[in-house]
Amino acid sequence: GAVVSQHPSWVICKSGTSVKIECRSLDFQATTMFWYRQFPKQSLMLMATSNEGSKATYEQGVEKDKFLINHASLTLSTLTVTSAHPEDSSFYICSARDLRGPDTEAFFGQGTRLTVV
Amino acid sequence: DAKTTQPTSMDCAEGRAANLPCNHSTISGNEYVYWYRQIHSQGPQYIIHGLKNNETNEMASLIITEDRKSSTLILPHATLRDTAVYYCIVRVAGGNQGGKLIFGQGTELSVKP
Repeated sequence: GAVVSQHPSWVICKSGTSVKIECRSLDFQATTMFWYRQFPKQSLMLMATSNEGSKATYEQGVEKDKFLINHASLTLSTLTVTSAHPEDSSFYICSARDLRGPDTEAFFGQGTRLTVV
Repeated sequence: DAKTTQPTSMDCAEGRAANLPCNHSTISGNEYVYWYRQIHSQGPQYIIHGLKNNETNEMASLIITEDRKSSTLILPHATLRDTAVYYCIVRVAGGNQGGKLIFGQGTELSVKP
């Protein structure tokens, strides 16, 4: 299947700083990327949907000013956690899909484990 | 998107078939059934999807009942590496619906030696 790469795989940051997570589709062009968050022992929770060249659509309860999403090209989306706090510590996962063709699958990155200390 | 119901956990002996059920009684006519799995601390992996016909690929088989209100994912010869959380998701295929995948709680499958 297609490859989606996330970077970094894990990051530790100090409270109050910002962290950027990258999501790249390596062998296809992703018109749409999705960002999820997963807490221990819980399922994935969709945070936002981003389409290339337009503003992201956030799910209810997700602060758009805290979780900045940029999808500037068909192969790259970034999630920036601004002014991170310990409660933002979580596993962040991106997913990418090309919606231009016939129904295609959504492929997932390997995830980024964020720890805020 | 329709809601799905799955057992919280299941055990399976290594080498035997693992049958994972999913109820989706409110599924609409244009909604597909998708299965993904997530191995601990990794991103989800696509397994299979179908609309109304049974489907088979190199990983698994998907059996959908005639009324489409439930389905079963079959791993024909489970190995220890199949230990994971398995998610059954129903969604509308195609671009207009945005392609969002909404995950439920899934079934935690433990394959034991």
